[in-house]
Amino acid sequence: QVQLQESGPGLVEPSQTLSLTCSVSGASISSGSYFWSWIRQPAGKGLEWIGRIYTSGSTNYNPSLKSRVTISLDTSENQFSLRLTSVTAADTAVYYCARDTEYRSPGDYWGQGTLVTVSS
Amino acid sequence: DVQMTQSPSTLSASVGDRVTITCRASHSISSWLAWYQQKPGKAPKLLIYKASSLESGVPSRFSGSGSGTEFTLTISSLQPDDFATYYCQQHSSYPLTFGGGTKVEIK
Repeated sequence: QVQLQESGPGLVEPSQTLSLTCSVSGASISSGSYFWSWIRQPAGKGLEWIGRIYTSGSTNYNPSLKSRVTISLDTSENQFSLRLTSVTAADTAVYYCARDTEYRSPGDYWGQGTLVTVSS
Repeated sequence: DVQMTQSPSTLSASVGDRVTITCRASHSISSWLAWYQQKPGKAPKLLIYKASSLESGVPSRFSGSGSGTEFTLTISSLQPDDFATYYCQQHSSYPLTFGGGTKVEIK
């Protein structure tokens, strides 16, 4: 059974960098036809796709965030990470990590989500 | 970007009702569409992939149809556990985009 778990600071100061990690069990992040994704959801609002990384390490980002986002793999720990720079209050949201299966479906497995608040 | 427009944004229905939610894409996405159910405080759950394929473990009262730019999610007989918010997502082109959501409420 594939399981994903987000971790990281729940509070980030404005202009600082948001860093989250998604730990994966039940699957190897460096093999298979999978993407490893980040999605966020502000309170009471809809879902926003942030970006994803393929098992090979190639990445795609939402252009609305592209200049501030980096997603990377840590194969030694079987986890992947999100880094979002220069955050503002508009980045306050629940952040989810998820697995997408190539040529089948996005989001077949999700983490439970972690709330990140941007505030001083 | 492919814009995904869901309708209605809110739907009031009773247990046993047949419910249909529509998702329209601004450009053709072939059948690269997924449907999710989300309950308060929980992560979305995949229901349908490739527009009409039922994810394993999802009750057969859920079904999806459509291709190109128009898609529907149908719940054949609404159950108490189905009151939730539903989202569509296209994965035909980057950036992947979601519809705005449809909240299914108790009538």
